[in-house]
Amino acid sequence: EAQVTQNPRYLITVTGKKLTVTCSQNMNHEYMSWYRQDPGLGLRQIYYSMNVEVTDKGDVPEGYKVSRKEKRNFPLILESPSPNQTSLYFCASSSRGLETQYFGPGTRLLVL
Amino acid sequence: LAKTTQPISMDSYEGQEVNITCSHNNIATNDYITWYQQFPSQGPRFIIQGYKTKVTNEVASLFIPADRKSSTLSLPRVSLSDTAVYYCLVGDMGQGGKLIFGQGTELSVKP
Repeated sequence: EAQVTQNPRYLITVTGKKLTVTCSQNMNHEYMSWYRQDPGLGLRQIYYSMNVEVTDKGDVPEGYKVSRKEKRNFPLILESPSPNQTSLYFCASSSRGLETQYFGPGTRLLVL
Repeated sequence: LAKTTQPISMDSYEGQEVNITCSHNNIATNDYITWYQQFPSQGPRFIIQGYKTKVTNEVASLFIPADRKSSTLSLPRVSLSDTAVYYCLVGDMGQGGKLIFGQGTELSVKP
């Protein structure tokens, strides 16, 4: 089954404790992207990757890092999380950026 | 990147046709218009995409006027299960790197 998976689905952590949210897709897509969603602000793009070893900033990249060492994986790294990064995070993939994007189920993060 | 503007919310009743309009005054020549649907606590789901005139699929229709400065998503005969947030997205198919979703339109369908 074609899908995008994210782990963990729920995470509670404390300020400053490094964390990684994994994202994996099984559709051989070149394009992958991370979004955060906050009430009243819609979906905002954090980082995207057009292909392996190619990443670029989206609209709200501050405080986040990503890597794309393999085509199927695109982890989101928070080196020193802060409470303002409490949010719902979605990973997505597509053949190209504006082709149909397939979204993961989301990761709900709470930073205390 | 073209910025999009949509109504924050809309109400409808079951069986009615719903039209949601998205404004994108700065749309570029190579930009396509894409609509997504999102249910609470789920990731968005692709609905329809178009460049000009009219596109129809089994779920919806997309109307794009000649000047392409706006687009209208049309949902025929909505049901309660169509209650969701609908996002309009404009971007270049050839480049498609940075993508900007609007705030979305929260559609509430009542019995």
